[in-house]
Amino acid sequence: DSGVTQTPKHLITATGQRVTLRCSPRSGDLSVYWYQQSLDQGLQFLIQYYNGEERAKGNILERFSAQQFPDLHSELNLSSLELGDSALYFCASSDPKAGGPSDTQYFGPGTRLTVL
Amino acid sequence: GENVEQHPSTLSVQEGDSAVIKCTYSDSASNYFPWYKQELGKRPQLIIDIRSNVGEKKDQRIAVTLNKTAKHFSLHITETQPEDSAVYFCAPLDYNQGGKLIFGQGTELSVKP
Repeated sequence: DSGVTQTPKHLITATGQRVTLRCSPRSGDLSVYWYQQSLDQGLQFLIQYYNGEERAKGNILERFSAQQFPDLHSELNLSSLELGDSALYFCASSDPKAGGPSDTQYFGPGTRLTVL
Repeated sequence: GENVEQHPSTLSVQEGDSAVIKCTYSDSASNYFPWYKQELGKRPQLIIDIRSNVGEKKDQRIAVTLNKTAKHFSLHITETQPEDSAVYFCAPLDYNQGGKLIFGQGTELSVKP
């Protein structure tokens, strides 16, 4: 168990819909990262937040957005869903407030999104 | 940005044999090099990492070697066991605008009893 939690585990929805994925980082970690894993694209970085602020953006579609709240949990919002958005979505956390290696990322169990 | 190549894409070994997976990267500024193990449908799990101030790191049956001049690092698993069967990913860290992992394509390791 990495200490990173994600909900829900599975999500089945229809094209055109909007969903929200939630992530709680390890206790004390300031950074949250979102990654998408699909069969054709592999594991790809989407976006990073550090202590509530967006720090880096990757291959994230305009239909997707994220935020990190004062309690450091994060949400990834996916809208106008398409069949191709079906994937595993992982969040990871790093940058412990208490000190230690800031670059080591620990992954949550993921949310499997199926768009029908 | 960082380009990452991982080889081989599949690897089949007999139990007890050694396995080696190689990763090459393009960004000479990279200085953190982790390896992740992922079982089917599960999360990527960090198994070992190395920073650029060392050339080799070992943890029981697992070791990682780093060659910064050639820009590659390798995962070595000795005395393989069936439970080592999984997909392994290298993921050098790209420090540009933060610290995102750039994942290789993955190596599916199969250990036959």
